[in-house]
Amino acid sequence: AQKVTQAQTEISVVEKEDVTLDCVYETRDTTYYLFWYKQPPSGELVFLIRRNSFDEQNEISGRYSWNFQKSTSSFNFTITASQVVDSAVYFCALSEETGGSYIPTFGRGTSLIVHP
Amino acid sequence: EAGVTQSPTHLIKTRGQQATLRCSPISGHTSVYWYQQALGLGLQFLLWYDEGEERNRGNFPPRFSGRQFPNYSSELNVNALELEDSALYLCASSLVRDRLNTEAFFGQGTRLTVV
Repeated sequence: AQKVTQAQTEISVVEKEDVTLDCVYETRDTTYYLFWYKQPPSGELVFLIRRNSFDEQNEISGRYSWNFQKSTSSFNFTITASQVVDSAVYFCALSEETGGSYIPTFGRGTSLIVHP
Repeated sequence: EAGVTQSPTHLIKTRGQQATLRCSPISGHTSVYWYQQALGLGLQFLLWYDEGEERNRGNFPPRFSGRQFPNYSSELNVNALELEDSALYLCASSLVRDRLNTEAFFGQGTRLTVV
């Protein structure tokens, strides 16, 4: 079973629009971490945020904001006033304890295209 | 502080050959993860090394192997290359293995093309 689901394969918006990237996760652990990464065309994954399972406080960083809701097992990412430079593939990931290992499991990613 | 570095950036091999990919983690990081990102797919977990030992591996055949050196750098070897092994191979490192409050930092990847 897929542990991290990013149902949106591709999203296309026009610059200055707000856009939300969805992430739904599945885990039986009470302690776990959620992440968002950005992968620009260069290929390197850039870490954006980490959220632990005990902290449901939403976070805002500039134009980026994250909404973590344990009740719906979701960790959504919103970009406000999108810019062309936001065009990239965004990955949501889950890290949980499994037999002593802590391996990030990634969703399939959402490709965001921001048109000028 | 230097990030995770991978070499080579690009690698072209012929089917049946062997490929060796290298990764240097961030200084102080003891865990190294390898992922395969094939076209159209997400990141598939390959291997996890920590403190010089293989701690876990994903659902890949044994011809995918690797090791971690005393300086925590790592090598991924792919034997008997097949066309479907063509992918971006990403290496990541993190600080400790027994805490969940550390994120993995990624290198720029090695683009392996098998012809």
